[in-house]
Amino acid sequence: KQEVTQIPAALSVPEGENLVLNCSFTDSAIYNLQWFRQDPGKGLTSLLLIQSSQREQTSGRLNASLDKSSGRSTLYIAASQPGDSATYLCAVPQGGKLIFGQGTELSVKP
Amino acid sequence: KAGVTQTPRYLIKTRGQQVTLSCSPISGHRSVSWYQQTPGQGLQFLFEYFSETQRNKGNFPGRFSGRQFSNSRSEMNVSTLELGDSALYLCASSDTRTGRPSGYGYTFGSGTRLTVV
Repeated sequence: KQEVTQIPAALSVPEGENLVLNCSFTDSAIYNLQWFRQDPGKGLTSLLLIQSSQREQTSGRLNASLDKSSGRSTLYIAASQPGDSATYLCAVPQGGKLIFGQGTELSVKP
Repeated sequence: KAGVTQTPRYLIKTRGQQVTLSCSPISGHRSVSWYQQTPGQGLQFLFEYFSETQRNKGNFPGRFSGRQFSNSRSEMNVSTLELGDSALYLCASSDTRTGRPSGYGYTFGSGTRLTVV
């Protein structure tokens, strides 16, 4: 049974700092891994999707890496801004559904 | 391309009532899945519909049901509402085919916030 864990649960950083969010999964036989952002009370916005054959994906200040053998993915956010404050979730598909981590709540202070 | 549309955005219902939520997926997507999000339990999978058939189901009581129409729009129904059903209900659309996940991932709607009083 696939389990997804995200560490830390919450993170507070000053504006401008580079930061890394972690996601680990127990079953390395994944098809892909997706990172989402969720603002309070809102839906999920897809940030990056990494296929199992890829090692990295980049979009603007975001870079996601995937290491299937170790069951880990990281989301790197460069030069953080207050507008990056949100909850970040990683998820892998299995059995017709997405298995989510519990999320990392990020707060970027001006 | 229009995104995933969920209606209504907010609902307030009384215990014992029933409610129906609607989700219109991205055009061309035949898979629609539903999730419940609460502060204590996080995101929990309810069910997935593909081409009008329920293909997967989560661990929710029979009060939670759904259906999908020929145009891929989906509805979710909760009968005999309980206080614990208060949550954000999210719908996701994907172009998954039979037997394998979508190579393009899932797109979520903005959700329906249900409050049961």
